[in-house]
Amino acid sequence: SQQGEEDPQALSIQEGENATMNCSYKTSINNLQWYRQNSGRGLVHLILIRSNEREKHSGRLRVTLDTSKKSSSLLITASRAADTASYFCATGRNNDMRFGAGTRLTVKP
Amino acid sequence: EADIYQTPRYLVIGTGKKITLECSQTMGHDKMYWYQQDPGMELHLIHYSYGVNSTEKGDLSSESTVSRIRTEHFPLTLESARPSHTSQYLCASSGFANTGELFFGEGSRLTVL
Repeated sequence: SQQGEEDPQALSIQEGENATMNCSYKTSINNLQWYRQNSGRGLVHLILIRSNEREKHSGRLRVTLDTSKKSSSLLITASRAADTASYFCATGRNNDMRFGAGTRLTVKP
Repeated sequence: EADIYQTPRYLVIGTGKKITLECSQTMGHDKMYWYQQDPGMELHLIHYSYGVNSTEKGDLSSESTVSRIRTEHFPLTLESARPSHTSQYLCASSGFANTGELFFGEGSRLTVL
């Protein structure tokens, strides 16, 4: 069974707005990762947050992790049309990563 | 940029044919994975390998098989393709020395008629 579940399934916003996606998982983890997938392509790693970290930033990305609630959020600030893609969280131990169904983000110009 | 390659990118074949999806990486990674993904859906781990001569089945039962004779090569084979095998197959790798980040190929989209 898959570990991570993203919410919402789809999100549509205007360029310049912020986009927030959430991920919930079921068991203990070493780290949680976020990936991006453009339509019909492979996934690209965005950011990793370790289980002992609560927040992490990378450019316009901000990730939070709450291990007590087994949840994480990905915030994309000042979104651009090029951010249109599906975003997946991945969780696991010992590098055996499992993925959820993703959030499909559409950023309208 | 990731150095992991999948061929073919697209394949349309008839039922009953044997197919092999190729995956190669030049990063010297020990761990390699195959995921299956239907359009717009979640990824399902179907096979993984921790190194040469190591292969394990993943979470989703699959009629495919894999082999790992060389570190850089992790091919997936379907002995007799069926329409239910129509899907996108994604190969990924990661190294023990890194943080567990997965590097993905571009995927092989298989259509079985």
